[in-house]
Order: sequence, then structure tokens, then C-alpha cells
Amino acid sequence: QSALTQPASVSGSPGQSIAISCTGTSNDIGGYNYVSWYQQHPGKAPKLMIYESSYRASGVSNRFSGSKSGNTASLTISGLQAEDEADYYCSSYTNSGTLVFGAGTKVTVL
Amino acid sequence: QVQLQESGPGLVKSSETLSLTCAVSGYSINSGFYWGWMRQPPGKGLEWIATMYHTGSTYYNPSLKSRVTISVDTSKNQFSLQLSSVTTADTAVYYCTSDRNNWYWAYFWGQGTLVTVSS
Repeated sequence: QSALTQPASVSGSPGQSIAISCTGTSNDIGGYNYVSWYQQHPGKAPKLMIYESSYRASGVSNRFSGSKSGNTASLTISGLQAEDEADYYCSSYTNSGTLVFGAGTKVTVL
Repeated sequence: QVQLQESGPGLVKSSETLSLTCAVSGYSINSGFYWGWMRQPPGKGLEWIATMYHTGSTYYNPSLKSRVTISVDTSKNQFSLQLSSVTTADTAVYYCTSDRNNWYWAYFWGQGTLVTVSS
């Protein structure tokens, strides 16, 4: 069982916006702004998309945005494109001095 | 641009020690950055293993700390992971990672290497 909770799957049509939630506790997401999001295509290494809850990593499209409210972080993809179909993982620093991940969300472009 | 490349045995026997090396190019390992390891069991999610700062400060996943050693070889510009007393649960794709600013996330990733633990 992962420390952070993500929906197993999210889908949307091209051009639509979707949001992926990542729920933790006050010991991780709620206590720190050290939330990050990764995109992973099949057979590939993860790619850092968002760090420090809302900052886009270098080279990442501005269609990707991150936010946090309380114990829940969110990744929003606007103007959904076929290339966005991938698995997305959230991660957070915790008050135990460790990093935890969500189980991942599969994004499907219909 | 930092580039990372993992290498090591693809098959390890249960109870033995898993050893992997990450070759770094595009940057001198002792000039800065955080250097670390993550893994992903087949079909499952990501797990952070450990991260080391170039000064030697090291951060470990508590669930693995007793079995993990991470070290740096500045002469070869590479860093290594050793995981002792492995079981089949340690079968995973192992990634070496790096970030300029901290160990809470990783911008640079190797391509990953699958290590299978046989019983």
C-alpha cells in the first residue's frame, strides 16, 4: 500500500483538461511544499514534470501545472494531447525524513 | 547536460549482494549535485532507495537503510549502490538519479537496469 493515494486511471479527450489528485497527510503533503510529479511512458525512465508542488521542470510544456491544498496535491494537464498518455506518479517528502510515492495514475487519451 | 548510465549484473541470487554502478558524464561528480537511486518492481510504482550529496551526506529510505550502501568514486566519475541480503522482492528496474539542488526530487535519470533476484 502506497503512502500517497492516486486514482488508478484518468481519461480525457484531446484538447480537454484533466486533473490527477494525490492525497497524503499532514506528515507529508500537508506539511511541506516538497511535492513532485513524474511522467513515465512505457519502458522509459520517469521524467520530472513538477517540483516544489507547482514549479515546472525545465523543458516541460506549460500545459502541465501543479497545485496543493491541504493534504492533497494535483497535477493538471490542459489541452490534452496523445503524447500525454502515460503513467504519472506523485511524490512527497515526509516528516520521517524520507520520500514516498503514490501508486501511479494511468492517463488515457480517448 | 548530465547523463547517467547504470551497469551491473542482471541476475543476482537470493541472499547475495546486488551491486550497481552509475557512470556520470557531462558533469564532475565532486563539483556538486545530489546522486541517488530509485527502483521500480515490474508493473509497480516507484520507490526511493537513497541519495548522497557530493560532500558525503547521505539520506536513506528507512525501510532499506540496514541493507544499503551508496558510495562515490570521483576518480571514475561514478557512484554505486550495494543492496545486501536480497530477496525476490528486490527484483526491479533500478534507476540512478541526480538533481542539482536537493534530494526531494530528481531531474536527471539513467535509462534503468533490470535486476532479477533468483531464489
